[in-house]
Amino acid sequence: QVQLVQSGSELKKPGASVKVSCKASGYTFTSYAMNWVRQAPGQGLEWMGWINTNTGNPTYAQGFTGRFVFSLDTSVSTAYLQISSLKAEDTAVYYCARAGMGGITGTTSDYWGQGTLVTVSS
Amino acid sequence: AIRMTQSPSSLSASTGDRVTITCRASQGISSYLAWYQQKPGKAPKLLIYAASTLQSGVPSRFSGSGSGTDFTLTISCLQSEDFATYYCQQYYSYPTFGPGTKVDIK
Repeated sequence: QVQLVQSGSELKKPGASVKVSCKASGYTFTSYAMNWVRQAPGQGLEWMGWINTNTGNPTYAQGFTGRFVFSLDTSVSTAYLQISSLKAEDTAVYYCARAGMGGITGTTSDYWGQGTLVTVSS
Repeated sequence: AIRMTQSPSSLSASTGDRVTITCRASQGISSYLAWYQQKPGKAPKLLIYAASTLQSGVPSRFSGSGSGTDFTLTISCLQSEDFATYYCQQYYSYPTFGPGTKVDIK
């Protein structure tokens, strides 16, 4: 069965960096793109972008350029989200989600990781 | 970016009730519309894609309809496990989500 298992919660100070991992199993990793979605405390879902797991080419949504980096290690079927120069407003749960049905330039997310809480506080 | 709105933002209902949630896109998105269910502390779960196609394993009491800019999610007979927050998402272009509709117990 398809599973996405994310790394554990992180507590970071402002200005630090964090790297969240998302290990996939139960399917061919390079056959499906990976979306990343953010959910701030008590708020809704926000699509951050996606990474082509075949080419490694990332696409970032508006507001997630510069400090956010998507990467892969296909040898271990794992996607990564790195956030640098952390700010308090980056405090959120970050989800990886496998890309499902495609639209013109977007996709659904058919399987989700359990989420990783990143807390930024001094 | 395509903006998604949902109504109501919350509703109270009883088990056995029929519940309808609406979602509107700021421009036409054909049928590139998905619905997700999220329970507290859990990841979202895909319920419906292509506006009306049930994801595998999702109970048939869930249904979706619409195309263009206006969509609905209907739960025909609300069960206790259906109390959750529901989000619509367009994937015609770069994905955007609606603000969510919280369904709680009356």
